[in-house]
Amino acid sequence: SQQGEEDPQALSIQEGENATMNCSYKTSINNLQWYRQNSGRGLVHLILIRSNEREKHSGRLRVTLDTSKKSSSLLITASRAADTASYFCATDDEGGTSYGKLTFGQGTILTVHP
Amino acid sequence: DAGVTQSPTHLIKTRGQHVTLRCSPISGHKSVSWYQQVLGQGPQFIFQYYEKEERGRGNFPDRFSARQFPNYSSELNVNALLLGDSALYLCASSLVGGSLSYTFGSGTRLTVV
Repeated sequence: SQQGEEDPQALSIQEGENATMNCSYKTSINNLQWYRQNSGRGLVHLILIRSNEREKHSGRLRVTLDTSKKSSSLLITASRAADTASYFCATDDEGGTSYGKLTFGQGTILTVHP
Repeated sequence: DAGVTQSPTHLIKTRGQHVTLRCSPISGHKSVSWYQQVLGQGPQFIFQYYEKEERGRGNFPDRFSARQFPNYSSELNVNALLLGDSALYLCASSLVGGSLSYTFGSGTRLTVV
């Protein structure tokens, strides 16, 4: 089963605009990660935020985490056509019964028009 | 240094057949995890192996099995294939079992007809 939901399911923007994707989850977590996937290929790790962190930056990426609301957001600033991909959040559940298990959301499909 | 390698890239099987998918982790990585990604959904956890032992199992039927070899490569086996098993199967490797950092392969696209 999917841990959470991502919003929106699809996002279409122009190059240079910012893109914001949101993720909600259900259980307590150790950390939350964001991944990118191009055209049904492998997942590329973008950024990890621990449960005791509230915000993290990496290049054009900004991630926030609100554990009280069980939600996270990924902001991509100054988007480029090459950012077109599906973006997934994944949680490493605190006290999970399956060792080393990541639980993924449904994903947001981002399209950046040149 | 090579990344996570999965083979084959694409595969077409008939209902009822058996399939074996292979994964070679990054050199030095001792843990391999398997995920199933059905079209339009996020990946779902199937198994994790660490030091050749099963350390985690997702909610999949017994038709799904896996193993890890002494060189830390892994195989995922699926018996009695169903149409619903059509998916992208992803392998991820990490240094240790409870790692924070996972590297994914490009996946095997399995189509069951």
